Amino acid sequence: EVQLVESGGGLVQPGGSLRLSCAASGFTFSSYAMSWVRQAPGKGLEWVSAISGSGGSTYYADSVKGRFTISRDNSKNTLYLQMNSLRAEDTAVYYCAKEVWSDPLGYFDYWGQGTLVTVSS
Amino acid sequence: NFMLTQPHSVSESPGKTVTISCTGSSGSIASNYVQWYQQRPGSAPTTVIYEDNQRPSGVPDRFSGSIDSSSNSASLTISGLKTEDEADYYCQSYDSSTPYVFGTGTKVTVL
Repeated sequence: EVQLVESGGGLVQPGGSLRLSCAASGFTFSSYAMSWVRQAPGKGLEWVSAISGSGGSTYYADSVKGRFTISRDNSKNTLYLQMNSLRAEDTAVYYCAKEVWSDPLGYFDYWGQGTLVTVSS
Repeated sequence: NFMLTQPHSVSESPGKTVTISCTGSSGSIASNYVQWYQQRPGSAPTTVIYEDNQRPSGVPDRFSGSIDSSSNSASLTISGLKTEDEADYYCQSYDSSTPYVFGTGTKVTVL
C-alpha cells in the first residue's frame, strides 16, 4: 500500500524558514518523480515544486523560485521542501504527491494528507 | 502563463447528471493530457480521470472525461449523482514551461 506522510509544518514568522518532509512507502521511491502542491485556506490547488526520480532535475513555480528548495534522499525514501524567506501568502496546507512517471510529465496518482504551514507574526 | 478556468460551482439533484468544463487560456488543450481530481472536504485530492478519459481502478463508470477541441475545453461528466460525489473538482494539465497547471476548481453540490 502506497503511503505518503508529511511532517514539519507549523507556525513561523514572516521571513523565517521551515523544512517539510514526506516519508514514502509501498513503492520504489527512486523510480518516480515527486511534487509539493499547496492549498491556501479556502483556495484551490497550486503546484509548488517537482523533482525527478533520480533527483537530477528540479522544477519550481515562479511564486517560490529562489526561496524554496526541493530535494530527496532515495536511500531514506524521503522528499523534502526547504522553505526560506517565508511570506504570509505561503500559508497553506502542503501536500506531497507521487507522479506516475520518473519525470514530471503526467499526473499524480497518490497524495499525502498534508501538513499545515502558517506564516504569521 | 497557461491557465485553466472552471465554473465556480454547479449543483444538481441526486440521480441527475452534471458536467464541469475546464477551458484552456491558450494553445490547444488537446495537445496535452487532462486529468481530474476530486477533493472531499477535509481530505487530500484523489484522481478520478487521467489522460483525458481514463478511469483509475476503483472509480465508478459514472465518471467520464472528454475533450472538445472546438471550445478548447475538457469536461468531466458525473452521471447518476450521489451525495458522496459532493466535493471540489480540479482539472490539471501542463504546458511547455510548467509541468503542472491546475484549474480554478469547481464545487459540486448535490441538492
